[in-house]
Amino acid sequence: EAGVTQFPSHSVIEKGQTVTLRCDPISGHDNLYWYRRVMGKEIKFLLHFVKESKQDESGMPNNRFLAERTGGTYSTLKVQPAELEDSGVYFCASSQSGRWYSHFGAGTRLSVL
Amino acid sequence: AQSVTQPDIHITVSEGASLELRCNYSYGATPYLFWYVQSPGQGLQLLLKYFSGDTLVQGIKGFEAEFKRSQSSFNLRKPSVHWSDAAEYFCAATTGTASKLTFGTGTRLQVTL
Repeated sequence: EAGVTQFPSHSVIEKGQTVTLRCDPISGHDNLYWYRRVMGKEIKFLLHFVKESKQDESGMPNNRFLAERTGGTYSTLKVQPAELEDSGVYFCASSQSGRWYSHFGAGTRLSVL
Repeated sequence: AQSVTQPDIHITVSEGASLELRCNYSYGATPYLFWYVQSPGQGLQLLLKYFSGDTLVQGIKGFEAEFKRSQSSFNLRKPSVHWSDAAEYFCAATTGTASKLTFGTGTRLQVTL
């Protein structure tokens, strides 16, 4: 079974630019989560999809972040315009309905210069 | 507020020595508890989880963790560390299925030969 795949693995952009991160969950996993780790801090929840619907987006920092999940499959997280404080590692995770634990991807390291 | 605390940011042990990584949680009720490990370039891998029942939980790679309600702790242990165990370890908690995880800040383990 393929794991959670994230693309790109690393992105370097300038302040003010737009970046789109992609996550492909494990096939059949209805739950998809985005998390972020800013350097030196804990991994923090951003939002949760159940299929194509946003279940909980309480962790989204501001309206510069837009997440979508097309047809309940892959998800994208767009940051527009990017700011310096958006730098960090963005993790995606997925889980089956009714499961307590999530499978994580390797993360996308975002560097905003 | 719900929180997970990992008091040790960085730990160094000699190969073959025993290991204990600390984790404390602050929740209104006992949460579901997890330990994840992240090796360089890899995603977060689930080591073990505690939902209920036996307070000593066995995981992969020879790790175990003990849940202590009286101390609000869920410490990770390994009797004999291998050089390949060098990684960053995260304790996490959640309150229900398909719920977001709350992470500690992580403990980076260095193993000396």
